Amino acid sequence: SYVLTQPPSVSVAPGKTATITCGGDSIGLKSVHWYQLKPGQAPVLVIYYDGDRPSGIPERFSGFSSGNTATLTISGVEAGDEAAYYCQVRDINSDQWVFGGGTELTVL
Amino acid sequence: QITLKESGPTVVKPTQTLTLTCTYSGFSLKSSGVGVGWIRQPPGKALEWLALIYWDENQRFSPSLKSRLSITKDTSKNQVDLTLIKMDPVDTATYHCAHVFPGGYFDYWGPGTLVTVSS
Repeated sequence: SYVLTQPPSVSVAPGKTATITCGGDSIGLKSVHWYQLKPGQAPVLVIYYDGDRPSGIPERFSGFSSGNTATLTISGVEAGDEAAYYCQVRDINSDQWVFGGGTELTVL
Repeated sequence: QITLKESGPTVVKPTQTLTLTCTYSGFSLKSSGVGVGWIRQPPGKALEWLALIYWDENQRFSPSLKSRLSITKDTSKNQVDLTLIKMDPVDTATYHCAHVFPGGYFDYWGPGTLVTVSS
């Protein structure tokens, strides 16, 4: 089965840039989607198709995918961005839906 | 406006069967490409995709749980049911249902329901 690997945690100071990676075999050939999870709230889609933003998601959120790594970048990090972030792909070959292990973003 | 909400028991005993209902609005599960999926998150752990049902009745299941899972839809009630048999304490989790965009992602989620497996 397809595996996505994320760092468990990332820390960043307010106003700086946070970079969260998602590793997978030839992930650049798949569409990668990112979700934000805050305790007690429904998950929110923040990036789809590698780098597209749903309406309502700030431009500070961006994404890119190439080779074996996809990246979620949050520029000008705010305290409200503190959350867990998960990458996800749909493995077309098996039609399985796969999540990464999640990354806890801490705003210092 | 798309909304989804999960309902079902909050506590089940080991070996029992869990059935959760996802009640949705704002979209039709008869529309081509549309689906509803179930995802869970055990306390302190990662999201885990469980199952998905498409508009055309096609179903997909997590390989690790396939033997224990079933999923059905009732478009007249705008509901999707997930059944998980032989519940175990490791199945304790918050269970979410979500709208599946045809492109392969979950664009709207329910708030989730916490299910605890305990005797």
